[in-house]
Amino acid sequence: GAVVSQHPSRVICKSGTSVKIECRSLDFQATTMFWYRQFPKQSLMLMATSNEGSKATYEQGVEKDKFLINHASLTLSTLTVTSAHPEDSSFYICSARRTGLNTGELFFGEGSRLTVL
Amino acid sequence: AQRVTQPEKLLSVFKGAPVELKCNYSYSGSPELFWYVQYSRQRLQLLLRHISRESIKGFTADLNKGETSFHLKKPFAQEEDSAMYYCALGLGGGSNYKLTFGKGTLLTVNP
Repeated sequence: GAVVSQHPSRVICKSGTSVKIECRSLDFQATTMFWYRQFPKQSLMLMATSNEGSKATYEQGVEKDKFLINHASLTLSTLTVTSAHPEDSSFYICSARRTGLNTGELFFGEGSRLTVL
Repeated sequence: AQRVTQPEKLLSVFKGAPVELKCNYSYSGSPELFWYVQYSRQRLQLLLRHISRESIKGFTADLNKGETSFHLKKPFAQEEDSAMYYCALGLGGGSNYKLTFGKGTLLTVNP
């Protein structure tokens, strides 16, 4: 159990377009989901914390108007990269925390590789 | 601010040798610490957490509050242990909970 699925796993888009990435918890409810960005051979950088039914909390330096996060249900959070530019090309990873669990055990998605041409 | 430091970017050992992946943290309170692992072409997954005091796949990690460390150890490394290992510090509660990751250590176990 505790599977998190991201879609799409790979996406290529033109500069200036918007891209939406979905993060779903398949067999559990997740009040809180997290979005990370991972650069090649580097660690995960937390971008924002997504809470169901409320606004996301963004980390310092992350543009909230650029990276729109919506967590409309207990099993789905979406990250929309608006007006994408080549520098937004990266590996985006989501993780989910099972509702009711007050620990740091997170379940990770497989990641989504975004390439902006 | 809280910080997690993994001083070694790369660590290479031979099969059967002991391995220790270092992790130090900076936090004045009672931390919640984890080791996550990412095998090649797989997603990140939890390896172990300090509150469980368990041994997973032969790995153990002891929280040393005096040295603010949470080093990951295994007495006899196996080739299948080759992976990226991340130390993580959990802070906050409820919707404010946040997990901060170290930069990771790439472990290679040679035959």
